[in-house]
Amino acid sequence: NAGVTQTPKFRILKIGQSMTLQCTQDMNHNYMYWYRQDPGMGLKLIYYSVGAGITDKGEVPNGYNVSRSTTEDFPLRLELAAPSQTSVYFCASSPGQGVFSPLHFGNGTRLTVT
Amino acid sequence: DAKTTQPNSMESNEEEPVHLPCNHSTISGTDYIHWYRQLPSQGPEYVIHGLTSNVNNRMASLAIAEDRKSSTLILHRATLRDAAVYYCILRDDWTGEGAQKLVFGQGTRLTINP
Repeated sequence: NAGVTQTPKFRILKIGQSMTLQCTQDMNHNYMYWYRQDPGMGLKLIYYSVGAGITDKGEVPNGYNVSRSTTEDFPLRLELAAPSQTSVYFCASSPGQGVFSPLHFGNGTRLTVT
Repeated sequence: DAKTTQPNSMESNEEEPVHLPCNHSTISGTDYIHWYRQLPSQGPEYVIHGLTSNVNNRMASLAIAEDRKSSTLILHRATLRDAAVYYCILRDDWTGEGAQKLVFGQGTRLTINP
């Protein structure tokens, strides 16, 4: 039972490079989320999706893009990486409306931009 | 969502009970109290949640004050594996919006001494 899987686990980027953080879930959850966590801080919501083809901005969306072509996958794209994007990125999923179910998180991607 | 206040850190001994406090003086009548924890180098995981009544599950108990302006997460017999950052989060679960756009503060870092 994999749950939420994130790849890669670690990545170092140079300023101005771009990359895609991958996230996939095998729980058939409708809702998916991307959070970032800076050192010693709580998590901040970047983007979320309520289903395939539908995405919306969270608290800190600038510098990122997302897409949701399938229920399982929710990749996060960084264009023109900047040092301020050095962080740990967490993907999460939840079933959707109805009976409460908690967020299920992946184990994160640690990104360093130098 | 209303704001919560938690101590930055707490320390306890193995096999002793731990009481983690959370203040939420501006809580609204429809806000649920959610607790997540984050083990080192992992994504957050759900612990427990409640509205008014005290709640128990296999991981912990949640004691909610009668006026709902504070709550306490209780770990009955702490183990070394319980060393983590614990987040107390309020969310209005009655809006009908399925997306759980949780707001994570800095949480309480719990250290367990052997």
